[in-house]
Amino acid sequence: NAGVTQTPKFQVLKTGQSMTLQCAQDMNHEYMSWYRQDPGMGLRLIHYSVGAGITDQGEVPNGYNVSRSTTEDFPLRLLSAAPSQTSVYFCASTQGREQYFGPGTRLTVT
Amino acid sequence: KQEVTQIPAALSVPEGENLVLNCSFTDSAIYNLQWFRQDPGKGLTSLLLIQSSQREQTSGRLNASLDKSSGRSTLYIAASQPGDSATYLCAADPFFGNEKLTFGTGTRLTIIP
Repeated sequence: NAGVTQTPKFQVLKTGQSMTLQCAQDMNHEYMSWYRQDPGMGLRLIHYSVGAGITDQGEVPNGYNVSRSTTEDFPLRLLSAAPSQTSVYFCASTQGREQYFGPGTRLTVT
Repeated sequence: KQEVTQIPAALSVPEGENLVLNCSFTDSAIYNLQWFRQDPGKGLTSLLLIQSSQREQTSGRLNASLDKSSGRSTLYIAASQPGDSATYLCAADPFFGNEKLTFGTGTRLTIIP
């Protein structure tokens, strides 16, 4: 099993550009989540999904969209990047007591 | 709204010492409490998960306890080693599923050889 994979590892965007952060898992987990990690603030939940076709907002959803068309994939879309979205983004998948995080995507918006 | 606090933000101890990391949460209506380890530039690795009906969990040199009534959890590391150096985060989960965790800001632990 590859676990949770995220692409890209690094990305630089200009203000106003859009992009999609990819997340995939091969463990057939139902639950997936996106978090952002900022210095001194811990991880904050952006969006989550409890199964294919079902998504919901977390603590900081503004400026981000998600969809879950398959169990394996949970992409995060930035609609119009802003400097405040500079962060490290982590995807997680979970099933019962099993929980795995991806290696993260470091995003810089200039 | 759940708030999770970890104090201190950083801790340095000599190799071989036993140590305790602290985590406090404001809403005791949690389903479970998890402890994670994060190495620099890496993702998170789950260390221990304590369900609300449990008081503690152990894995090797790690022992985590949970006191819901006081809103506290501790992670005890026995006989610390330089390889234990990392940032340790705790997270509270309000429901079964672990998809909506509220994280603390972490304690950066350095073990001095």
